[in-house]
Order: sequence, then structure tokens, then C-alpha cells
Amino acid sequence: ETGVTQTPRHLVMGMTNKKSLKCEQHLGHNAMYWYKQSAKKPLELMFVYNFKEQTENNSVPSRFSPECPNSSHLFLHLHTLQPEDSALYLCASSQGGQGDTEAFFGQGTRLTVV
Amino acid sequence: AQSVTQLDSHVSVSEGTPVLLRCNYSSSYSPSLFWYVQHPNKGLQLLLKYTSAATLVKGINGFEAEFKKSETSFHLTKPSAHMSDAAEYFCVVRGMAAGNKLTFGGGTRVLVKP
Repeated sequence: ETGVTQTPRHLVMGMTNKKSLKCEQHLGHNAMYWYKQSAKKPLELMFVYNFKEQTENNSVPSRFSPECPNSSHLFLHLHTLQPEDSALYLCASSQGGQGDTEAFFGQGTRLTVV
Repeated sequence: AQSVTQLDSHVSVSEGTPVLLRCNYSSSYSPSLFWYVQHPNKGLQLLLKYTSAATLVKGINGFEAEFKKSETSFHLTKPSAHMSDAAEYFCVVRGMAAGNKLTFGGGTRVLVKP
């Protein structure tokens, strides 16, 4: 257990569905991240939040919509996804502003778009 | 700018033999460096980190890594591989100037043969 919890662990959704991924951490961290991990591709940073404010959007399509209501929770709202969006979505948190601190990762949500 | 190159996408070793995973980095500032391990369908777990203290860093599960500034390398080693070491390994750099951003290598998949 890393202290970062993601739900659900697995999700199958149709291209017209709307769903949300949830991430929760109680480590007292103030930075949270969404990463996408596709087969045979490097880990892709999607979004970064610091103190609930979005500080990075790595050219992510608008069908992915993040939300960070407080420093402990991070959501990724999904709508009208494409089959190529099928991947493992990883959430992470860290103590922001300090370069020597590591990120703690959740177990991921395995998303399949049909 | 910062970047990480993992020189081998796949490494195959026999159980009980040494493991070497190679990582080279570039960073404009003194970096922090990390190695993470990911077992199938799991999140990323921190193995060890370098943060400008001792250049030889010991981590969990018998792994260690040596920071060599002159070679801009941070190779990961283990004297004797175990079947449970079969996983994917990621080298990660985090520079002070990059704020909270972690930059991942492409990963090295380790196969351990009995």
C-alpha cells in the first residue's frame, strides 16, 4: 500500500458513456498527477495539480476532464472516449515544490473503451 | 530541459545471476533520480532514490544504484536475481528547475529464467 487509492480498478465503457476515475491520498501531499500508460509506449504525464490548481495540461484531449476539489482528491472525468484511450491510468501524489521527494503511485485503473 | 534514456528495453537473466539495468539522464540542474518497479497490472513502487547525498544508494529487495555525474548515469544493479524480480523498471529524473515534474525513461522489462 502506497497511501494512494484509485477506484475503480477496472472499467469497461462504451464510446458514448460518461464515467469518472477517482484518486485519493491521505499522505498530506499537495501535488497530484494523472498519467496514462499504454502498451508499448512510455508513461505519459496528463495533468498536474499543485495546491488544487492545475499547473500542467500536457495537450490532453478535452474528452478527458480533471477535477481537484481539494488536495486529497483527484478525479478524471471521461466522456465520448475512443478505443485508443484504452490504457492503465495512474494517479500519483508528492510533496510539491521539493525536487528530492518521490511520487507515490496508486494501483491504477485499467480502462477499456469498446 | 531534462530527459532519461534507458538503454535496454528488455533484459533477460537467469535466477541467481546479477542484474544490470542501465539509465542515462540529462538535466540542467543537479537532479534527483529514482528507480521504480512495476509488476503486471500494478502501480509503480519506489525502489530507491538519489538526492545528492551518497552516490551509492541502497534500495529495497537487494537493489542498489550508483550515481555517476561524470557519466550522467544511474544504473541499477542486484547481485542475484530472484524470480519475483520479473517486472518492468523505470528510471526517473526530477530536476529542481522543473518543479514538480517527473520525467520517466521508456522502461526496461526484466525476464528471469529459472
